[in-house]
Amino acid sequence: GEDVEQSLFLSVREGDSSVINCTYTDSSSTYLYWYKQEPGAGLQLLTYIFSNMDMKQDQRLTVLLNKKDKHLSLRIADTQTGDSAIYFCAENTGALNFGKGTSLLVTP
Amino acid sequence: GAVVSQHPSRVICKSGTSVKIECRSLDFQATTMFWYRQFPKKSLMLMATSNEGSKATYEQGVEKDKFLINHASLTLSTLTVTSAHPEDSSFYICSARVGQGNAEQFFGPGTRLTVL
Repeated sequence: GEDVEQSLFLSVREGDSSVINCTYTDSSSTYLYWYKQEPGAGLQLLTYIFSNMDMKQDQRLTVLLNKKDKHLSLRIADTQTGDSAIYFCAENTGALNFGKGTSLLVTP
Repeated sequence: GAVVSQHPSRVICKSGTSVKIECRSLDFQATTMFWYRQFPKKSLMLMATSNEGSKATYEQGVEKDKFLINHASLTLSTLTVTSAHPEDSSFYICSARVGQGNAEQFFGPGTRLTVL
């Protein structure tokens, strides 16, 4: 099947904002998700957005959705060292179709 | 929130042996459970979808005789890697879903399998 695309690596300084981008494939996806995976651990659901929304804000997290371009982004405000992890976007096609993940490194 | 557990968290086995991984939904009944495999620096790939009481549906390229899935109850699914080989070494993650379609999936913590 088609791939959900993400940039593989992002490095930011502590306190800056991080923006992780994703291009998904299935325009009929009702929900789109962002998951966080810390080293050696499973997946943690960070946030999700319903397809009829353009934006969703949840504390330091802001999700933007452009359905026309099938583009999804996750913005983390005031990024902390504890935010260092791999971030996966996923579209819901019944099961979840994941991107390859963006490895976020936050430096002091 | 809903909790999904996996057991064991890590397992090392010899080539040729079989390994069983359990996935349990602790505080809810899961209509459907999914098994994913994650290779290093790769995304999660769906292996199979299992509904309680029926045979699992395997994704293309996944050998059903190699990866046996049993979903005997609404709270337990097992994945058995039969006659394991080093190339089966991977991180296996299950998820559980209540309801159909776009209902949220809850992920287990994963099982790291190393085959020597």
